[in-house]
Amino acid sequence: NAGVMQNPRHLVRRRGQEARLRCSPMKGHSHVYWYRQLPEEGLKFMVYLQKENIIDESGMPKERFSAEFPKEGPSILRIQQVVRGDSAAYFCASSPPARRGTEAFFGQGTRLTVV
Amino acid sequence: EDQVTQSPEALRLQEGESSSLNCSYTVSGLRGLFWYRQDPGKGPEFLFTLYSAGEEKEKERLKATLTKKESFLHITAPKPEDSATYLCAVQADSNYQLIWGAGTKLIIKP
Repeated sequence: NAGVMQNPRHLVRRRGQEARLRCSPMKGHSHVYWYRQLPEEGLKFMVYLQKENIIDESGMPKERFSAEFPKEGPSILRIQQVVRGDSAAYFCASSPPARRGTEAFFGQGTRLTVV
Repeated sequence: EDQVTQSPEALRLQEGESSSLNCSYTVSGLRGLFWYRQDPGKGPEFLFTLYSAGEEKEKERLKATLTKKESFLHITAPKPEDSATYLCAVQADSNYQLIWGAGTKLIIKP
């Protein structure tokens, strides 16, 4: 049973370009979470999705950032017109249908560098 | 405001020297407290979930405990391979977000 798969592992974008980060959850998991991690800082929640639904996007900037989890295919975190401050590690986690204190399992992350 | 504070920021131990990491939290109704381990360049790896005060869980050299205000991760006779950053997170009853601490970087010297 493969774990959470994220790709690419490393992504370099010039300022103003678009970044698309992909996440395939573990088999049987219908809930996906995206987090951002800056060096020496904790993980920051961005968005929580279920298939075809955004449940909580309170941690995601209102502009330039969007996320989706279509019925078929991976979840996508999209950052338009990237700026240097978007450089970070972006982690995706998945869990089975949420119940009390359900643990989430993480992918290896995508390290975005904006030059 | 829900928040999580971990201490110390970094801890250096000799192999075999037992110690504890602390995670203090404030949350409006605790759904669960989670411990993860993160190695450099990798995603967090799940260790434990604790749900209520008084609960304890063990895995190899690690034991996690929970009170109403804090959790401890006790490490007994650690080995160099236990070196990692240990992250604590809480989930509130009010939503599904995980609120994370900044982590404790643990270094075990042979």
